[in-house]
Amino acid sequence: QQPVQSPQAVILREGEDAVINCSSSKALYSVHWYRQKHGEAPVFLMILLKGGEQKGHEKISASFNEKKQQSSLYLTASQLSYSGTYFCGTEIGSNQGGKLIFGQGTELSVKP
Amino acid sequence: GAGVSQSPRYKVTKRGQDVALRCDPISGHVSLYWYRQALGQGPEFLTYFNYEAQQDKSGLPNDRFSAERPEGSISTLTIQRTEQRDSAMYRCASSPLDRIYGYTFGSGTRLTVV
Repeated sequence: QQPVQSPQAVILREGEDAVINCSSSKALYSVHWYRQKHGEAPVFLMILLKGGEQKGHEKISASFNEKKQQSSLYLTASQLSYSGTYFCGTEIGSNQGGKLIFGQGTELSVKP
Repeated sequence: GAGVSQSPRYKVTKRGQDVALRCDPISGHVSLYWYRQALGQGPEFLTYFNYEAQQDKSGLPNDRFSAERPEGSISTLTIQRTEQRDSAMYRCASSPLDRIYGYTFGSGTRLTVV
């Protein structure tokens, strides 16, 4: 039931782009994306509801393909501040009350 | 409050002792969630509440774990007869009923069972 994220880790140079994928074996109602810096709490980035919408947040955007039960997070022109571990959290039904199952995380390192 | 507050920040306990972890959610947040996070892993769902009602406790590992939120605000996660395998970061999160704003996580309680 835990969604699978790929890649597990990625190293970028400042200004490069990255894509993080999140796949589920179950039909999804929504997908959340969070970023966690070392020693800190996860911080909410965005939520995508079923409908294939794409959302943006500065240079970070995401898409949700409900048929494929997948979501992707796009980071463009990466900045040093983007470093951290990214988690997707999936909600499998509208009656789940917001209960999220998180993936194992993707560690992103942005180097100067 | 301004954020989700958890206490204590660190807890070291001897095996077999009971511990109570407290979470004070953001004022007005209806939903409250408990997660456990191992180092380098994603948060693992334990249980959640809407108002004072426990909606889902399917993630609680066994009957030594329990949670309550008697007045729909502060919540307590209790672990009885602690074992070394219970050592982890325990995180609380809260959200409005409208989940488009996502969860706000607390700083967590680092539990170490010795």
